[in-house]
Amino acid sequence: QKEVEQDPGPLSVPEGAIVSLNCTYSNSAFQYFMWYRQYSRKGPELLMYTYSSGNKEDGRFTAQVDKSSKYISLFIRDSQPSDSATYLCAMSFYSGAGSYQLTFGKGTKLSVIP
Amino acid sequence: NAGVTQTPKFRVLKTGQSMTLLCAQDMNHEYMYWYRQDPGMGLRLIHYSVGEGTTAKGEVPDGYNVSRLKKQNFLLGLESAAPSQTSVYFCASSYTASGKGAKNIQYFGAGTRLSVL
Repeated sequence: QKEVEQDPGPLSVPEGAIVSLNCTYSNSAFQYFMWYRQYSRKGPELLMYTYSSGNKEDGRFTAQVDKSSKYISLFIRDSQPSDSATYLCAMSFYSGAGSYQLTFGKGTKLSVIP
Repeated sequence: NAGVTQTPKFRVLKTGQSMTLLCAQDMNHEYMYWYRQDPGMGLRLIHYSVGEGTTAKGEVPDGYNVSRLKKQNFLLGLESAAPSQTSVYFCASSYTASGKGAKNIQYFGAGTRLSVL
């Protein structure tokens, strides 16, 4: 079993819908939880990161972490066609000898239809 | 502010040829990483560096070598390319603030699309 599980989709929603993207994880050592957005043929870009359990809001985006259930979510309100991209969850951990790494989910491809 | 720049953007190789991918960052980050991204496999770490002159193996290091002679540059080499190395390669860099846990926010380049025939 992979350390981070993410449904690859694809997920197709109408413009204006609320989108929910989710990841589950098994490693309790993960410390920070991040969401990256990757447009087609581009590199991933950081959307949001959180540390503790609870919600963090940034405009139309809300990141939610439930450490007790090992479950994280990204909600997108009033989705727009420009939100069409692949969303990657990522989790950071200290891997020893002064090095830090990220473990990524495989990404969920989202299409927002006008 | 360019961030992370990868060179080249595209490349086609024949089996057995060698090449070097260059990554440059202008954010003074200590950490640099090379990933490959394949359909259905997600991002997989090839090699990484925690500082100038240091390198370490990631999840899928076989067939690749790296060097970090300068803090701002991280090179990925393929000595004898194989079709299995056809992929999109991403470089990333990050910093970590002491006392704040393993935040490790990574900033990515635009990628290099490599085809090995």
